[in-house]
Amino acid sequence: QQQVKQSPQSLIVQKGGISIINCAYENTAFDYFPWYQQFPGKGPALLIAIRPDVSEKKEGRFTISFNKSAKQFSLHIMDSQPGDSATYFCAASYYGGSQGNLIFGKGTKLSVKP
Amino acid sequence: DAGITQSPRYKITETGRQVTLMCHQTWSHSYMFWYRQDLGHGLRLIYYSAAADITDKGEVPDGYVVSRSKTENFPLTLESATRSQTSVYFCASRDDGYTFGSGTRLTVV
Repeated sequence: QQQVKQSPQSLIVQKGGISIINCAYENTAFDYFPWYQQFPGKGPALLIAIRPDVSEKKEGRFTISFNKSAKQFSLHIMDSQPGDSATYFCAASYYGGSQGNLIFGKGTKLSVKP
Repeated sequence: DAGITQSPRYKITETGRQVTLMCHQTWSHSYMFWYRQDLGHGLRLIYYSAAADITDKGEVPDGYVVSRSKTENFPLTLESATRSQTSVYFCASRDDGYTFGSGTRLTVV
């Protein structure tokens, strides 16, 4: 069964620290790996995404690291801020890149303490 | 306003009643999706639609019905609501990536 396994379920980080969320997948047909950020009462919103032909993508304080051989990818949030407190979902898409159907991880609730 | 609008934002209904959740997009995206979000389960796909009059089941379709007579609308109907369908429901459309609505919090009592 196609799956995306996300860990940890919850994470508490001090302001200024690094938040790291990990995901693993099984299906090598996955070809697009986005991360979504969700604030309470809102829908998930695309944060950053990567394709398997690169090992890292950085946008501001957010970085995706991708390890194709290990079938793992992770989100790193540098200099974490209280405003980053949210639930983060990794996802993977197959047969269509950003236009493929997404399989979501179960989410990680991040709390950044001031 | 451009985007995806879900209605209602909150709904309380009784077991056995029929309830319809509405989803409207202002673009003309072909693909639309319905997800439910529950603690410990993340986002699970209920149904999706590739175009008007084309729908298909997702991971958890039982107890739900969808229709799509117009590209911009994708309503989700619970024909006979059960307590296990208490959840937050998200509609999404896809162009180059997904855009989600703000969700409908449904409570079945």
